[in-house]
Amino acid sequence: GAVVSQHPSRVICKSGTSVKIECRSLDFQATTMFWYRQFPKKSLMLMATSNEGSKATYEQGVEKDKFLINHASLTLSTLTVTSAHPEDSSFYICSARDETKRKNEQFFGPGTRLTVL
Amino acid sequence: QKEVEQNSGPLSVPEGAIASLNCTYSDRGSQSFFWYRQYSGKSPELIMSIYSNGDKEDGRFTAQLNKASQYVSLLIRDSQPSDSATYLCAVTPGTYKYIFGTGTRLKVLA
Repeated sequence: GAVVSQHPSRVICKSGTSVKIECRSLDFQATTMFWYRQFPKKSLMLMATSNEGSKATYEQGVEKDKFLINHASLTLSTLTVTSAHPEDSSFYICSARDETKRKNEQFFGPGTRLTVL
Repeated sequence: QKEVEQNSGPLSVPEGAIASLNCTYSDRGSQSFFWYRQYSGKSPELIMSIYSNGDKEDGRFTAQLNKASQYVSLLIRDSQPSDSATYLCAVTPGTYKYIFGTGTRLKVLA
């Protein structure tokens, strides 16, 4: 149980294009999902909290117009990196909480490695 | 500022030994504590969660929480080379958002 999938696992795009990453909770419903990014040999940095049916809550310093988050259903959240630039290259990881079963535990997707040329 | 601190390591232990990983946190209101394992290039995997003072054991893993001293530790018994990874401590300071430590890199030497 508590499986989270992410797609795509790896994407390479040209500078200026937009990239959409999907995060799905496969065997539970998640009203709250989280988006992180991680640079090499660094810890995870929370970007935003995705709330089903409402606007995402962004962490300080994260541009909400650049990183668009949509949480349209209880099992799917998407992160769109708009007008991507090389500095957006990173490992993006989502997580989800199963609020009906587990106390505050977050389960992570396998991550998406984004390379912007 | 709410912080979670870990020694970055690497912590090297011989195969079969006990690995001891430590984490301290600054917010006394923290409610939940987690240990994740992250292999290079992969996403974090939940190993243990602990919510009350004392020890919690699961197989070769034991989490220890001391709220008065504001630290949480993870013991790995009979360490195996496959345990070599970065171990992340995460704390929820009164909300459901995690504050992550920077992680401790563990090397188990065969």
